[in-house]
Amino acid sequence: GDSVTQMEGPVTLSEEAFLTINCTYTATGYPSLFWYVQYPGEGLQLLLKATKADDKGSNKGFEATYRKETTSFHLEKGSVQVSDSAVYFCALRPQGAQKLVFGQGTRLTINP
Amino acid sequence: GAGVSQSPRYKVAKRGQDVALRCDPISGHVSLFWYQQALGQGPEFLTYFQNEAQLDKSGLPSDRFFAERPEGSVSTLKIQRTQQEDSAVYLCASSLRSGTGANEQYFGPGTRLTVT
Repeated sequence: GDSVTQMEGPVTLSEEAFLTINCTYTATGYPSLFWYVQYPGEGLQLLLKATKADDKGSNKGFEATYRKETTSFHLEKGSVQVSDSAVYFCALRPQGAQKLVFGQGTRLTINP
Repeated sequence: GAGVSQSPRYKVAKRGQDVALRCDPISGHVSLFWYQQALGQGPEFLTYFQNEAQLDKSGLPSDRFFAERPEGSVSTLKIQRTQQEDSAVYLCASSLRSGTGANEQYFGPGTRLTVT
């Protein structure tokens, strides 16, 4: 079945460091891909999305590119801030379906 | 704001009790979803409504779980005879449209259920 595998956390970085959180998926056809973020004490929020191969989603300095050939959607940011500390979830929507399938989440802590 | 709201935010139930969790979606949103999130895990799909019709309930873990959305707006997730393994955060999400593609799901804050 459809699944998402994320880089295990927790991840701890210093402010202004480069961030990569790996995400790979298994799905038939052409799923849509998402990154959601959960800040402390808040609900899940959509961070960025991509709906077809080679699309790049971007928001708040974060980027991820839909790579069909490697079934990946890695999240990157060039210079992280303390305020980026949160739990990040990679997710897919299977082609033709409505539900989201989530990875297990990666907790990110940025130290000043 | 007019986001997705859920109540109660926290619920403690003794094993064997029935519970009812409420979700108020964003006004006008056609689609409504329920997810279960165990501690340290990602959300897992439970069920999906398009207006009042429950179109997918493939994620409901047992027949103790029941969801309804009788008027196509507010939804209730009911768990009968709660078990300890039901302890989790229950998330509700809504989206404006029901078509496929990247229709954004907006999530509520969740209800944390603890079964003792």
